Amino acid sequence: GAGVSQSPSNKVTEKGKDVELRCDPISGHTALYWYRQSLGQGLEFLIYFQGNSAPDKSGLPSDRFSAERTGGSVSTLTIQRTQQEDSAVYLCASSTNEGSPLHFGNGTRLTVT
Amino acid sequence: AQSVTQLGSHVSVSEGALVLLRCNYSSSVPPYLFWYVQYPNQGLQLLLKYTSAATLVKGINGFEAEFKKSETSFHLTKPSAHMSDAAEYFCAVTRDTGRRALTFGSGTRLQVQP
Repeated sequence: GAGVSQSPSNKVTEKGKDVELRCDPISGHTALYWYRQSLGQGLEFLIYFQGNSAPDKSGLPSDRFSAERTGGSVSTLTIQRTQQEDSAVYLCASSTNEGSPLHFGNGTRLTVT
Repeated sequence: AQSVTQLGSHVSVSEGALVLLRCNYSSSVPPYLFWYVQYPNQGLQLLLKYTSAATLVKGINGFEAEFKKSETSFHLTKPSAHMSDAAEYFCAVTRDTGRRALTFGSGTRLQVQP
């Protein structure tokens, strides 16, 4: 079946602008994650949604970052007032439940100029 | 608190040589442990997962990892490296607080020399 889909694949924005990144998880997957991968860095955990529970937002780096997941499916990561240090690849992943292997999307490469 | 440490950001081996990528974790509860691989210009793929059914876990492409509780390690090995193994490898462990989200090590880039 279809995998995790992320859009856009690339986004170039000016410093100070807001951006929205979208993730369509695999149908039926209750767990959804957002990670950030900067050049030469590992994967930085941002936020985790599990079913209808309150999300684990402990990885969000600042209050400029927020995410929502509507109807337990599609998720949107929003970055307000983007800064150059926000430039990275933003990865979304989903899994059937907690502790199950993650299925990753191809990511959105964000460049803030 | 939980963390995962990968020793060596870059590892270089000759084709046919043993591959050993190190991963140590700290967790106050039994963890779920994973290895993921990211080939150049591709997304992350699951290599293998520790399920507690067996301490030696076999994954795809001839890789395996051994869970050693006494050493809090989950090192990844392959007896004979192939050129196609060149990639970045990430060890991951579930957090032991909150909703047990999966957290990743900083990654090890494997180079395979002909």
